[in-house]
Amino acid sequence: SQTIHQWPATLVQPVGSPLSLECTVEGTSNPNLYWYRQAAGRGLQLLFYSVGIGQISSEVPQNLSASRPQDRQFILSSKKLLLSDSGFYLCAWSADSNYGYTFGSGTRLTVV
Amino acid sequence: GDSVTQMEGPVTLSEEAFLTINCTYTATGYPSLFWYVQYPGEGLQLLLKATKADDKGSNKGFEATYRKETTSFHLEKGSVQVSDSAVYFCALNSGYSTLTFGKGTMLLVSP
Repeated sequence: SQTIHQWPATLVQPVGSPLSLECTVEGTSNPNLYWYRQAAGRGLQLLFYSVGIGQISSEVPQNLSASRPQDRQFILSSKKLLLSDSGFYLCAWSADSNYGYTFGSGTRLTVV
Repeated sequence: GDSVTQMEGPVTLSEEAFLTINCTYTATGYPSLFWYVQYPGEGLQLLLKATKADDKGSNKGFEATYRKETTSFHLEKGSVQVSDSAVYFCALNSGYSTLTFGKGTMLLVSP
C-alpha cells in the first residue's frame, strides 16, 4: 500500500534562517506531488505541485521554492524565512486527481 | 475558473443532532467531488467522494449526493458524535492536476 511521510512534525525557526521540509511517498511511482500551506484559520493555499521529476509549478510567488530531486521526494525550501511564513504545511500525493489526494500529517512551522 | 463555496462556520451542534454542511460548486464539465476532514493538528483525510451525477458517497455515517442540477454536494450525518468535531473541506477536480478546495467549515459537537 502507498504511504506518505512528512517531516519534521514541528519546527521553530528564527526569522532569516533557511528552511527545508521533506516529503516522500512509498509504494507508487510517478505520483503527482503537492505542497499546501494552511495559515491561522482553516483555508488551504496551494504553493507548488509537480507532475514529474524536475517539473514544478508555482502557484504563489514568494520566498519559498520547491524541488523534486527523485520521483517520490518533494522538498520545500526557503533561503530566508519571514514571520509570515508561519503556518501548517501539508504535503499530498495523487496518482490521478480525479480520485483525490492523500495528505501527509503536516509540519507546524513557527517563525520567531 | 473552478470554485467551491462552503457554508461559513463554526457549526455548533449537540451530540446526536442531525448535520448538514452545504457545498456548492462552479466548474466546467462533470467534476469529481470530495469531502475531506481535518482533525485538530492533523492532515486532511478523504472522507468520501462521488465521480458522477447522482452518485452518493458515504463513509463513517456521513453521506453526500452529487447533484448536477443544483451544482451541490452537501454533507449530511444523521447523528453526530463529539468525535466528529473537526474541519470539513469540500473539493472538486474537473480534469486538471490539482483539486479546488472550499475554505472549510468547522464543526463543534458538544456532549
